[in-house]
Amino acid sequence: NAGVTQTPKFRILKIGQSMTLQCTQDMNHNYMYWYRQDPGMGLKLIYYSVGAGITDKGEVPNGYNVSRSTTEDFPLRLELAAPSQTSVYFCASSAGVNTEAFFGQGTRLTVV
Amino acid sequence: EDQVTQSPEALRLQEGESSSLNCSYTVSGLRGLFWYRQDPGKGPEFLFTLYSAGEEKEKERLKATLTKKESFLHITAPKPEDSATYLCAVQFNSGGGADGLTFGKGTHLIIQP
Repeated sequence: NAGVTQTPKFRILKIGQSMTLQCTQDMNHNYMYWYRQDPGMGLKLIYYSVGAGITDKGEVPNGYNVSRSTTEDFPLRLELAAPSQTSVYFCASSAGVNTEAFFGQGTRLTVV
Repeated sequence: EDQVTQSPEALRLQEGESSSLNCSYTVSGLRGLFWYRQDPGKGPEFLFTLYSAGEEKEKERLKATLTKKESFLHITAPKPEDSATYLCAVQFNSGGGADGLTFGKGTHLIIQP
């Protein structure tokens, strides 16, 4: 009964380093999303995917990249980390465009 | 200008004291309005989806309603375990693809025993 699984849960990066946030879901959902959540702000959409091989930008895509080679996995890549990318990142999936999204537990990232 | 506004930002109630949380939206072409609950250190947990004005949904002590401009989450006789941040989100016709959800900033609810 895993749902959406994110790794790692916590990470500290130095400015300029790169990393990949992993996300996998076992519900066979076509739609997957990456959000970031900053204190006092609503969740902001970074990228989304409507199926394997198809991705598109959300509201705040700068500094990030994604890929979707399988239905299950939707990794988020940070290149040249900056302090502004310090945030909590959530991956989510849904069965359809207008159905409830299931969220992972989040990755808390600090860039110093 | 925020497309989804939640009020109040924070609310402290006594156990058993009923109240309502508000979510107003300015988007057109609403596809759906979603309510989520988020506990500290956790991801949002789905509560309800409302699709059209006049629709209502209930779950235990929670009831969600929808009008053309806002939604209310009514909490009846709350218990301390109802303490959480409640998030409202909308999905609307933007002319693009899936687009994901547009979230409000949430209402931080504390129920005191």
